[in-house]
Amino acid sequence: SAVISQKPSRDICQRGTSLTIQCQVDSQVTMMFWYRQQPGQSLTLIATANQGSEATYESGFVIDKFPISRPNLTFSTLTVSNMSPEDSSIYLCSVVDRDYGYTFGSGTRLTVV
Amino acid sequence: AQTVTQSQPEMSVQEAETVTLSCTYDTSESDYYLFWYKQPPSRQMILVIRQEAYKQQNATENRFSVNFQKAAKSFSLKISDSQLGDAAMYFCAYRNIHGSGNTGKLIFGQGTTLQVKP
Repeated sequence: SAVISQKPSRDICQRGTSLTIQCQVDSQVTMMFWYRQQPGQSLTLIATANQGSEATYESGFVIDKFPISRPNLTFSTLTVSNMSPEDSSIYLCSVVDRDYGYTFGSGTRLTVV
Repeated sequence: AQTVTQSQPEMSVQEAETVTLSCTYDTSESDYYLFWYKQPPSRQMILVIRQEAYKQQNATENRFSVNFQKAAKSFSLKISDSQLGDAAMYFCAYRNIHGSGNTGKLIFGQGTTLQVKP
């Protein structure tokens, strides 16, 4: 199965600033997904990132707040912009593996102060 | 739209005993995948087991097995001989396979926190 390197693993940021999270996959994948997981909650899909096209955002998430880049088939970034304490969450990337399995990054724990 | 429901926010089990986590889902599709993921405190999402809807046989992975009831849209996870390392949050998830609903995305339930008592 694919292996994902997600960075940073955690960060503490000042409100009003931005943080970029990176995911590097060890194989080429078509679709990458970005999730947010608020403390003690389930995973909520932010957007789907396909190489060569704009990301598709879920209801409640907008590109200005969560811009995504997908420059090639092995890499993607998610930026959390103009952060507020409500953005404090775990952010995870995920890819579809062979046989419809999914592999997840190790997550980024973001705290906004 | 498809939905996944886990009605047990928390469960506990004695070490070496058996526990069953419940999951129901709603879909009008006939072909799809269902998953159980485990998330320990490390945050890493770990695939526990996967079931293809077209397969009548329940999936099994060592101590983990599912009871897949397609007509009832139920997908419960049974953990046998529970171990301390099984303590984690467990998520049930659904994915469409075909047609316009095949966006590739997983739809997750709310999660069940499993405590294993020594």
